[in-house]
Amino acid sequence: AQSVSQHNHHVILSEAASLELGCNYSYGGTVNLFWYVQYPGQHLQLLLKYFSGDPLVKGIKGFEAEFIKSKFSFNLRKPSVQWSDTAEYFCAVNARAAGNKLTFGGGTRVLVKP
Amino acid sequence: DTGVSQNPRHKITKRGQNVTFRCDPISEHNRLYWYRQTLGQGPEFLTYFQNEAQLEKSRLLSDRFSAERPKGSFSTLEIQRTEQGDSAMYLCASSFGDSSNQPQHFGDGTRLSIL
Repeated sequence: AQSVSQHNHHVILSEAASLELGCNYSYGGTVNLFWYVQYPGQHLQLLLKYFSGDPLVKGIKGFEAEFIKSKFSFNLRKPSVQWSDTAEYFCAVNARAAGNKLTFGGGTRVLVKP
Repeated sequence: DTGVSQNPRHKITKRGQNVTFRCDPISEHNRLYWYRQTLGQGPEFLTYFQNEAQLEKSRLLSDRFSAERPKGSFSTLEIQRTEQGDSAMYLCASSFGDSSNQPQHFGDGTRLSIL
């Protein structure tokens, strides 16, 4: 069975700082990878996804993520955060041979101080 | 696209009671998923439907839980004889197509509190 690990539970940073959130998964087969974001009081929204091709994917709101197959990692980055990026971020994996369910990490709460 | 709709938003009930939640997916989305999320955790998969067929169920889904999607549109999740451990946010998601790489769109969830 696949599993997803997010290294940081809480991150606090100031506006304009750079953000990097770690995500590692365990599964030996081919995967689809996602980052979802949940703003306060809102539902989960897709930030970006990786299926194949260029391992550096760009998503909405200036976010990007890099898939490193050898490290089983899919880290999320943003060069300069804004106060509005305060949210909880979830990494998720879908193992293509194991059906359509998403396996989520535990989430990282990000607080951006103005 | 009106989004995935879940009702009710909150449900408070006494232990031992039955509860039922409803999910209306994005129209024309053929796949519908249920997840459960407890405080401080990511969502955990419960079950999913392709059209009206329930194709996969997690071991988390005990025999007290049942889900249906009778006409391939809305879905219901029923929990019988609720227990304290059932307190959680129940999330519904939907997606379109037959490929596993289609992103899932989530609703706001139903928060269940067991007294």
